[in-house]
Amino acid sequence: GENVEQHPSTLSVQEGDSAVIKCTYSDSASNYFPWYKQELGKGPQLIIDIRSNVGEKKDQRIAVTLNKTAKHFSLHITETQPEDSAVYFCAGHYGQNFVFGPGTRLSVLP
Amino acid sequence: DGGITQSPKYLFRKEGQNVTLSCEQNLNHDAMYWYRQDPGQGLRLIYYSQIVNDFQKGDIAEGYSVSREKKESFPLTVTSAQKNPTAFYLCASSPGQVVYGYTFGSGTRLTVV
Repeated sequence: GENVEQHPSTLSVQEGDSAVIKCTYSDSASNYFPWYKQELGKGPQLIIDIRSNVGEKKDQRIAVTLNKTAKHFSLHITETQPEDSAVYFCAGHYGQNFVFGPGTRLSVLP
Repeated sequence: DGGITQSPKYLFRKEGQNVTLSCEQNLNHDAMYWYRQDPGQGLRLIYYSQIVNDFQKGDIAEGYSVSREKKESFPLTVTSAQKNPTAFYLCASSPGQVVYGYTFGSGTRLTVV
């Protein structure tokens, strides 16, 4: 079936520490996996994505890794800042649409 | 700037009324989507359209209707048949031909009073 699991559901870190969010996907997902950041009262914004022909992609303080064998991909945020506090969603592409994970609420404590 | 615009930002509806949420994009994207988000929940697909004059039901289409008469516009009507319509509604678009992440609008918060 089409399913994306995401852990943890909430995550609190001290400012400057790293945060890691992990998603697993079921068999039929295709080869593109985006991550979104949603701030309170706003729509989600695409922050990074990865295609299955690479294992890792970085963009400044954020990175995504993909393990195709284990069917999971992870978001890594280094040197966290208070403005990183938000809800983060992963997604897998199935057929014509994306299936989203349930979200992780990240709180960065000053 | 190209983007996707949802209006209104807040909408109040009396029970038994139909309401229409607007979604307009100037990104020249072929595909458009409507999602529902409940507090603390993920995104659930209501309807999507890959091309003008064509659309398909998502996972929770009951009580909703859409139209796609223009490439730029994909309005969502929440009908009186939707039993629990209070939610945050998100519209999104994508190029369609190439798999790429969605561009989301800023959302409409619908409250039934």
